[in-house]
Amino acid sequence: EIVLAQSPATLSVSPGGRATLSCRVSQSISISYNLAWYQQKPGQAPRLLIYGASTRASGIPARFSGSGSGREFTLTISSLQSEDFAVYYCQQYNNWPLTFGGGTKVEI
Amino acid sequence: QLELQESGPGLVKPSETLSLTCTVSGGSVRTTSYYWGWIRQPPGKGLEWIGNIYYTGGTYYNPSLESRVTISVDTSKNQFSLKLTSLTASDTAVYYCARLVSTVTSFDYWGQGALVTVAS
Repeated sequence: EIVLAQSPATLSVSPGGRATLSCRVSQSISISYNLAWYQQKPGQAPRLLIYGASTRASGIPARFSGSGSGREFTLTISSLQSEDFAVYYCQQYNNWPLTFGGGTKVEI
Repeated sequence: QLELQESGPGLVKPSETLSLTCTVSGGSVRTTSYYWGWIRQPPGKGLEWIGNIYYTGGTYYNPSLESRVTISVDTSKNQFSLKLTSLTASDTAVYYCARLVSTVTSFDYWGQGALVTVAS
């Protein structure tokens, strides 16, 4: 199965600041653009942010952007709002089984 | 607005079978554009995909769980269900049902989640 490594595990950012989250495929396998990003707040289900590596899901603010292809991907949150402090997961859908990264916690 | 709601026992004994149902409202499971899936999250840990089902009954399962998992769909009730057998404490988790977009294979609608504890 494809293993996704997310870094850093925890990211401390000030409100209004910029957050850059990384998701890497651990093996020498390209997953093309077949990657999604989710946001999860405590006690809530994950919310789809990005699919196709860079396409924002419906209703997602423009401050969320995704980039990358192949084995390396980035989620950038520009100008962090208070509601953006959460855990972020990447998920690949290039190969079965579907797999998620271990998550990055974005905290103040 | 599409809504998904998990239901089932919150406490199950070791070696027994977990049974959860996801009821879909505001939309139909009988659609060609989506799969319907289950994902779980142990307390304080990350997400693990369990499996998906299409409205015709076709399934994909995570190989790590495949020997213990059955996912079924009941289009007449607009529901799909999860059964996980031979439970151990490591199966304790929040279980989510979700809609999977077939073209991009990502989960766009989620239920609120159901905590299932495996304990005697």
